[in-house]
Amino acid sequence: AQSVTQLGSHVSVSEGALVLLRCNYSSSVPPYLFWYVQYPNQGLQLLLKYTTGATLVKGINGFEAEFKKSETSFHLTKPSAHMSDAAEYFCAVSVRSNAGNMLTFGGGTRLMVKP
Amino acid sequence: EPEVTQTPSHQVTQMGQEVILRCVPISNHLYFYWYRQILGQKVEFLVSFYNNEISEKSEIFDDQFSVERPDGSNFTLKIRSTKLEDSAMYFCASTERLATSEQYFGPGTRLTVT
Repeated sequence: AQSVTQLGSHVSVSEGALVLLRCNYSSSVPPYLFWYVQYPNQGLQLLLKYTTGATLVKGINGFEAEFKKSETSFHLTKPSAHMSDAAEYFCAVSVRSNAGNMLTFGGGTRLMVKP
Repeated sequence: EPEVTQTPSHQVTQMGQEVILRCVPISNHLYFYWYRQILGQKVEFLVSFYNNEISEKSEIFDDQFSVERPDGSNFTLKIRSTKLEDSAMYFCASTERLATSEQYFGPGTRLTVT
């Protein structure tokens, strides 16, 4: 079984500052890793994903994440926060199987951006 | 851009009543999912569905729950006798094929059981 831990349920940064949201996973087989964003009263939108290949993946809105197998991490970063980045961010893991590739989510991190 | 849609956006029901939550997945997608998010908690997997049958389900998905694809477009989640603890946001998701593993989520249905 796989699991996801997101360190910090709330992160606050100033506009223009670096955003770093932490995600660690556990999986007995090579994982697929995802970051989703949820704006208030909306569904989950995919930011980026890692399946295979290059370990640094770039997503929408200037976000990127790096898969580090040795650290079992997939931290999300953005060089310069914008007010519109304020939202809840979820890290998720799945493993390829014939059963259905269910996603296992972390607890989420609420990002607040101060002017 | 194609998107997953869900109706209703908000459903209020009394304990013990049956509810049906509806989803229209993206048209060429083959795998369908239901997740739920209790207020303040993490998103939890309920069930996956492929080729007109359940492919995987969680411990949450007990006999009170059922899923159906009644026609070529809708995907429904039925809760037979709702409990207070069923109050949550329910998300439908779909994906084209397992290899990509990218699931597209609908906006959710907020279910309130009173």
